[in-house]
Amino acid sequence: EVQLVESGGGLVKPGGSLRLSCAASGFTFSNYNFHWVRQAPGKGLEWVSSIRTDPKNVDYADSLKGRVTISRDNTNNLVYLQLNSLRAEDTAMYYCARESGGSRGPLGYWGQGSLVTVSS
Amino acid sequence: SYVLTQPPSVSVAPGKTASIPCGGVNVGTKSVHWYQERPGQAPILVIFYDSDRPAGIPERFSGSNSGNTATLTISRVEAGDEADYYCQVWDRSSNHVVFGGGTKLTVL
Repeated sequence: EVQLVESGGGLVKPGGSLRLSCAASGFTFSNYNFHWVRQAPGKGLEWVSSIRTDPKNVDYADSLKGRVTISRDNTNNLVYLQLNSLRAEDTAMYYCARESGGSRGPLGYWGQGSLVTVSS
Repeated sequence: SYVLTQPPSVSVAPGKTASIPCGGVNVGTKSVHWYQERPGQAPILVIFYDSDRPAGIPERFSGSNSGNTATLTISRVEAGDEADYYCQVWDRSSNHVVFGGGTKLTVL
């Protein structure tokens, strides 16, 4: 069974940093691309970042570029999202999602999310 | 950057058919995926590559895509279908994933 479990969220002050983790299981991790998607309270889904099977192949949403870094650990089946210079508007549930059905395919599997709250 | 436009809300009576549009320039040339998000739960994929259904999704869910509009159709709507629905594409020019703004489906 495919499982994605996010962790690392919490309360952080403006300007602070946080690293989110996504632990994957139930499939061959190195064969798949991963994404982070966030949802601010009462708002819609917003794509944040993606990482391909080649860990150098990454993309970021323009709204976060320069403040976020995605990475993966194929040995321990983990995907990371490093968030820096956090602002109040970064408060959101952050979801880890796995592509399915080929490159740039649908996000077929999602974790339950990790809540990040940016407040002083 | 590419934009997908959805109506904020759609209402439908139980047993009727709900259609949720997703507009975008020449969206018919792209592959559209649809997600259902119930309150307090993570999104789940309900339609992929315009009209395919993942295992476990009822046949009542269907999709189409042509011209400037993709559409998610839910037949014989049930109370349990009440949720937010999002369309999504991959924008080749920016290499970014793009979501529509989401549509809240209310079952009357």
